Amino acid sequence: DAGITQSPRHKVTETGTPVTLRCHQTENHRYMYWYRQDPGHGLRLIHYSYGVKDTDKGEVSDGYSVSRSKTEDFLLTLESATSSQTSVYFCAIRLARSSYNEQFFGPGTRLTVL
Amino acid sequence: QQQVKQSPQSLIVQKGGISIINCAYENTAFDYFPWYQQFPGKGPALLIAIRPDVSEKKEGRFTISFNKSAKQFSLHIMDSQPGDSATYFCAASGTGGGNKLTFGTGTQLKVEL
Repeated sequence: DAGITQSPRHKVTETGTPVTLRCHQTENHRYMYWYRQDPGHGLRLIHYSYGVKDTDKGEVSDGYSVSRSKTEDFLLTLESATSSQTSVYFCAIRLARSSYNEQFFGPGTRLTVL
Repeated sequence: QQQVKQSPQSLIVQKGGISIINCAYENTAFDYFPWYQQFPGKGPALLIAIRPDVSEKKEGRFTISFNKSAKQFSLHIMDSQPGDSATYFCAASGTGGGNKLTFGTGTQLKVEL
């Protein structure tokens, strides 16, 4: 599992509330990614990070922000949650020692916005 | 804009049969094509991957066939087993720009006894 943990694993919240999801890795990987998974859409990239304080947007970044103040932690924040953000969120790391883009995923966080 | 198209959406195969899932891509800059397997309640797990310098890669019962000119690649599962029942995603990425993966929409495979 490449030493990836996500917290919380499940969360139910109300529309308009802020939510922060945490991804933690223990193997000093440089690249970290946040995806959301929805039926019929596969996995879509929200934001990614290529180092401490270095982040960039993915294809579905509206309504989300990220921060990475330490190598091991990548936080995803929904500033004001909406029902359209109900989804399963996965964090991934890119295996640094490989010359290929091998990405390994965490166990996911199921978020429900009521 | 869907850059990786995956089919079929669902697939039922008899035990011992061959499961075939197809993907097509548009971006000729893609140079890495992985397949992921996902069981319910779990994160996607890297199954097998290929680079475009080869036309086929085999790992056990799993084979990727790659057709660069047609911009297509497929996953073949030989001797399919009930334990292979899962959702499979193809993906593609290029170099640079964070090596972002673009995923297909997934195929739900069920292997029946």
